Amino acid sequence: AQSVTQPDARVTVSEGASLQLRCKYSYSGTPYLFWYVQYPRQGLQLLLKYYSGDPVVQGVNGFEAEFIKSNSSFHLRKASVHWSDSAVYFCAVRKNNYAQGLTFGLGTRVSVFP
Amino acid sequence: DMKVTQMPRYLIKRMGENVLLECGQDMSHETMYWYRQDPGLGLQLIYISYDVDSNSEGDIPKGYRVSRKKREHFSLILDSAKTNQTSVYFCASSQGNSDYTFGSGTRLLVI
Repeated sequence: AQSVTQPDARVTVSEGASLQLRCKYSYSGTPYLFWYVQYPRQGLQLLLKYYSGDPVVQGVNGFEAEFIKSNSSFHLRKASVHWSDSAVYFCAVRKNNYAQGLTFGLGTRVSVFP
Repeated sequence: DMKVTQMPRYLIKRMGENVLLECGQDMSHETMYWYRQDPGLGLQLIYISYDVDSNSEGDIPKGYRVSRKKREHFSLILDSAKTNQTSVYFCASSQGNSDYTFGSGTRLLVI
């Protein structure tokens, strides 16, 4: 069965600093990986996804992630955060059958301070 | 505008009452999902619907049932709600290999 681990429950960072959120997955086969963001009282919004090809994928709002198969990781990065990046970030892996939904990590709450 | 709409946004029910959560999508997606989100547990899959009257249990179906009579509409039903069903419920839809589109959620409080 698939699983996703986000080891950091909370991350605090200063505005303008860089951000890395860690994600490790367990999956037999070729993983389809996602990062979602959830702002307060809202649903999940897709930041980026990896299906195949270039292991570094670009997303919205300056986010990028790198798929490292040997490490089973899909870490999210941003070079310079803004206060509006404060949110909860979820890493997810698609289940074996695309119509079986996503398995999510527990999320990382990011707080950006001025 | 492609979207998934959930109604109501907030709901308070007494233990033992029946609860109906509604979800609609305007993208003609075949597949729809219900998740619940709880602190410390993340998002957990309750049910999947592959199309009209074609539903499948997810990871935590106990205490829930679903109904899909039209492709654009997917309902989650709690018969005799329990306090441990207090949660935020999210609906999502997808088509083939497309991205998943999530609704804004329904916050349910069972007292």
